[in-house]
Amino acid sequence: GAGVSQSPSNKVTEKGKDVELRCDPISGHTALYWYRQSLGQGLEFLIYFQGNSAPDKSGLPSDRFSAERTGGSVSTLTIQRTQQEDSAVYLCASSLGTELEAFFGQGTRLTVV
Amino acid sequence: QKEVEQDPGPLSVPEGAIVSLNCTYSNSAFQYFMWYRQYSRKGPELLMYTYSSGNKEDGRFTAQVDKSSKYISLFIRDSQPSDSATYLCAMKRPGAGNMLTFGGGTRLMVKP
Repeated sequence: GAGVSQSPSNKVTEKGKDVELRCDPISGHTALYWYRQSLGQGLEFLIYFQGNSAPDKSGLPSDRFSAERTGGSVSTLTIQRTQQEDSAVYLCASSLGTELEAFFGQGTRLTVV
Repeated sequence: QKEVEQDPGPLSVPEGAIVSLNCTYSNSAFQYFMWYRQYSRKGPELLMYTYSSGNKEDGRFTAQVDKSSKYISLFIRDSQPSDSATYLCAMKRPGAGNMLTFGGGTRLMVKP
């Protein structure tokens, strides 16, 4: 596609439910990143993929968070047993290589009620 | 204390003003410095990218890095209402790919 696509754009979920967020990177981009942006905060790094593998998972806030990437393309970020503090905008970015410019999607706005 | 500090604003200026946005950081390992612009309900877009200390100019935008003071700046000349957005500084260590450490962002409003 022309840019990084994320779905859904908005998600409201009840506390305790699981959610899946999807990222479709720019075609051919091998590196993919997930960030979280809480209200009034900067972006917080969560995880990145080089191909299908995730060399660095250190940013994931807890074991309720997991992510996978298949076929070197689409990635899903899963949050289990959501909590209110998980409410944030989840942003995905992709780049042609790990040292080249990353392009961001518009994000998924998650609200846990 | 956060690794990267940025005044959240909001910063309100009249059209045509020179805008100065700043960040300070604590990690001397950061070598690459970036400024992103983020419009409401959009993802960040890269504005400026600099390596180590010095200045870089691109049109109305100038990025400045002072590693000795751990201080970076973005100057916007002849500011326009379309510059109204949140500006995020970001930085990274060598070999860290796009694992960026962001400041909290400064909201800028340019009034016609």
